[in-house]
Amino acid sequence: QSALTQPASVSGSPGQSITISCTGTSSDVGGYNYVSWYQQHPGKAPKLMIYEVSNRPSGVPDRFSGSKSGNTASLTISGLQAEDEADYYCSSYTSSSTLYVFGTGTKVTVL
Amino acid sequence: QVQLVQSGAEVKKPGASVKVSCKASGYTFTSYYMHWVRQAPGQGLEWMGIINPSGGSTSYAQKFQGRVTMTRDTSTSTVYMELSSLRSEDTAVYYCAREGSPSWFDPWGQGTLVTVSS
Repeated sequence: QSALTQPASVSGSPGQSITISCTGTSSDVGGYNYVSWYQQHPGKAPKLMIYEVSNRPSGVPDRFSGSKSGNTASLTISGLQAEDEADYYCSSYTSSSTLYVFGTGTKVTVL
Repeated sequence: QVQLVQSGAEVKKPGASVKVSCKASGYTFTSYYMHWVRQAPGQGLEWMGIINPSGGSTSYAQKFQGRVTMTRDTSTSTVYMELSSLRSEDTAVYYCAREGSPSWFDPWGQGTLVTVSS
């Protein structure tokens, strides 16, 4: 089971919007609405930001939104803020015996 | 509040085994599956496997089949992950994470650094 493909880095200025893509296959991202997104600051544990493609847990700012089209899921951060600078990972349920797969990770830099 | 507290850092020699614990509190332990995820230094997240704390059933990533064992102790609300035949590539931070129904990980433990070095 290969990792989902994410861009290595994305950057934006405060207030701008950025989008992170997460590309898989019909056996994972494209086959299920079980895509989630995680934010990880250096030295910290990951934090859930989006679940089931587009749902936001309580406490996550509505600047964060998720979507999916075919085999590619996306995380959009609107109104980028300094505290959004972190690594972001997508995850998907899969049809293989390895039940879950993560993305390669994207470093978001706020310029 | 829901909390997962993991055991402390470990240093092991190649070929040895390590057992990491994850103690859950703030919810009904047997009602939620638990996952283990690892992260090598400077690398991404890697899913290792899942355990059902209610019956103890497990499912492991193909990569770790035969080397990983996940168990639980319902009397102490603790899950364990044991990895054997350690090699330097197993140096990583190991996280436990509770499964949200049915497919997300929240919350996460604080992580346990396992260093494999001769």
